[in-house]
Amino acid sequence: EAGVVQSPRYKIIEKKQPVAFWCNPISGHNTLYWYLQNLGQGPELLIRYENEEAVDDSQLPKDRFSAERLKGVDSTLKIQPAELGDSAVYLCASSLRVADTQYFGPGTRLTVL
Amino acid sequence: SQKIEQNSEALNIQEGKTATLTCNYTNYSPAYLQWYRQDPGRGPVFLLLIRENEKEKRKERLKVTFDTTLKQSLFHITASQPADSATYLCALALNTGGFKTIFGAGTRLFVKA
Repeated sequence: EAGVVQSPRYKIIEKKQPVAFWCNPISGHNTLYWYLQNLGQGPELLIRYENEEAVDDSQLPKDRFSAERLKGVDSTLKIQPAELGDSAVYLCASSLRVADTQYFGPGTRLTVL
Repeated sequence: SQKIEQNSEALNIQEGKTATLTCNYTNYSPAYLQWYRQDPGRGPVFLLLIRENEKEKRKERLKVTFDTTLKQSLFHITASQPADSATYLCALALNTGGFKTIFGAGTRLFVKA
């Protein structure tokens, strides 16, 4: 069974540019999470989807970040415009249902210059 | 304030010894607690889950204890091997008005041959 797939694995952009990350969760998993992980820190939740509904986006900086999960499967996280402080690893995870074990993708390492 | 604390300093042990990692938390009442392993450049991988009404859980060389009075979990790896070298993350599952997982910053473990 394929795990959570994320792309790209690495992205380098200049500040003020837009960037998008894509996530394909494990087949059949209804819940999808986007996390941000800074060096030496644990993952911090940005947004959680249950099917196509964003049920927890309280930590998503909505002035520059947006996300969507069309048809309740794949998801895209976008930053526009990117700032230097956005440099981090962006992790996607999925679970069968909320409160079930989360399975993480490899992450996208973003560097903003 | 609410926080999760894991040893910020790396833990260095000799192969064959038992590694013990600590997770302390304040002002949370988790429904359960999980431990994840994270290797460099990869997403976290689930290892063990222990519920609030459980004292101890084992899986092969891994053992987790959970003391809700002390607000502490201990994670043990017996007969440690160099392949166990990684960062270990503690995660609290909170179910208060909506489900949420909060991660600690992790402890880096190095096992020397």
